[in-house]
Amino acid sequence: KNEVEQSPQNLTAQEGEFITINCSYSVGISALHWLQQHPGGGIVSLFMLSSGKKKHGRLIATINIQEKHSSLHITASHPRDSAVYICAVRGETSGSRLTFGEGTQLTVNP
Amino acid sequence: DGGITQSPKYLFRKEGQNVTLSCEQNLNHDAMYWYRQDPGQGLRLIYYSQIVNDFQKGDIAEGYSVSREKKESFPLTVTSAQKNPTAFYLCASSIVTAQPQHFGDGTRLSIL
Repeated sequence: KNEVEQSPQNLTAQEGEFITINCSYSVGISALHWLQQHPGGGIVSLFMLSSGKKKHGRLIATINIQEKHSSLHITASHPRDSAVYICAVRGETSGSRLTFGEGTQLTVNP
Repeated sequence: DGGITQSPKYLFRKEGQNVTLSCEQNLNHDAMYWYRQDPGQGLRLIYYSQIVNDFQKGDIAEGYSVSREKKESFPLTVTSAQKNPTAFYLCASSIVTAQPQHFGDGTRLSIL
């Protein structure tokens, strides 16, 4: 079992839909990251969380430390949101090292 | 603009050859990282460096080597000992080890 599990692996939505991507992890962490990878391969950091909730534009990230679970929400989805969304955790004892989930491929159709 | 530059974007290697992937950053970041990405798998850490002239092995360091002679540069050499080098390679950097990492656009390596 991977230390970081994401669901779903693939997600197709219609423009305007509310989207949720889930991330569960099995180790104690000091921080959780949500990343976005576009078709060309480049990766952008969206959020770094250690507790609670963060919001940036139409993106919202939440984390529940007790349940070892985080969600990434996209409101009013748009075709330009189509990308791979990756969850990564920094373990309490792993220093700077991140452990990555396999990613969720999101496709938003017009 | 500040950022991370990886070159080349595409790289082809013949069997038995060593190749070096370039990673340069002008963000004044102390920490730099190399990851490998294979289809259907999460990114895996190859090597990382927290300071000039120092680096540590990640989870899949066998068949790879790095150097960190300058703060701005962290080249990765894929040696002939790496039996399955075809993959997408990403370089990243961060201010300190606990901060978000900034990623380059990646290099796709293929074997001829």
